[in-house]
Amino acid sequence: NAGVTQTPKFQVLKTGQSMTLQCAQDMNHNSMYWYRQDPGMGLRLIYYSASEGTTDKGEVPNGYNVSRLNKREFSLRLESAAPSQTSVYFCASSKTASYGYTFGSGTRLTVV
Amino acid sequence: DAKTTQPNSMESNEEEPVHLPCNHSTISGTDYIHWYRQLPSQGPEYVIHGLTSNVNNRMASLAIAEDRKSSTLILHRATLRDAAVYYCIRVQYNQGGKLIFGQGTELSVKP
Repeated sequence: NAGVTQTPKFQVLKTGQSMTLQCAQDMNHNSMYWYRQDPGMGLRLIYYSASEGTTDKGEVPNGYNVSRLNKREFSLRLESAAPSQTSVYFCASSKTASYGYTFGSGTRLTVV
Repeated sequence: DAKTTQPNSMESNEEEPVHLPCNHSTISGTDYIHWYRQLPSQGPEYVIHGLTSNVNNRMASLAIAEDRKSSTLILHRATLRDAAVYYCIRVQYNQGGKLIFGQGTELSVKP
């Protein structure tokens, strides 16, 4: 089925460990985004990639890095996880602002 | 600030229309107005979007004020499955088209 696929769906990390969250879309969208959502809060933009080969910081980029591997894939890396990064992470993609955006089902990350 | 202003919560009765308001007084000419909703434990789901004219789709209608400083999402007949947080977002076309979420409106639907 067409859409945004995120892996893994759940992850528990120890403080200081690193990991990469994967996101892939098969809709030939130009732009991709990473968000985090803390309990009871709205989504906050971490990083985005307006087009293949470009990445930019969002509202809360500290502690994260991203890679736009190709048009389909956009990964989010935590180099040294901290308990404050416990959250649900959503990836999204879009063709342009004149089209609807599609979100993945999320990765629930717990850092202990 | 690119964020919009929405009521924190609203209530509706099942099978009645719901009008969800949104203020975006600093909107610029190339900004789109998008609406998404998020059901518990799910990712946001696209509902509708528009630029200047009113828009209809199978899920909802979007009424945009003539000066574009406000808009209203209309659910014609609310169902229990429409209970969710609804986000109105101003999308700045010329800045990577990124969605900046506010707190949204939590809609509850009573049977």
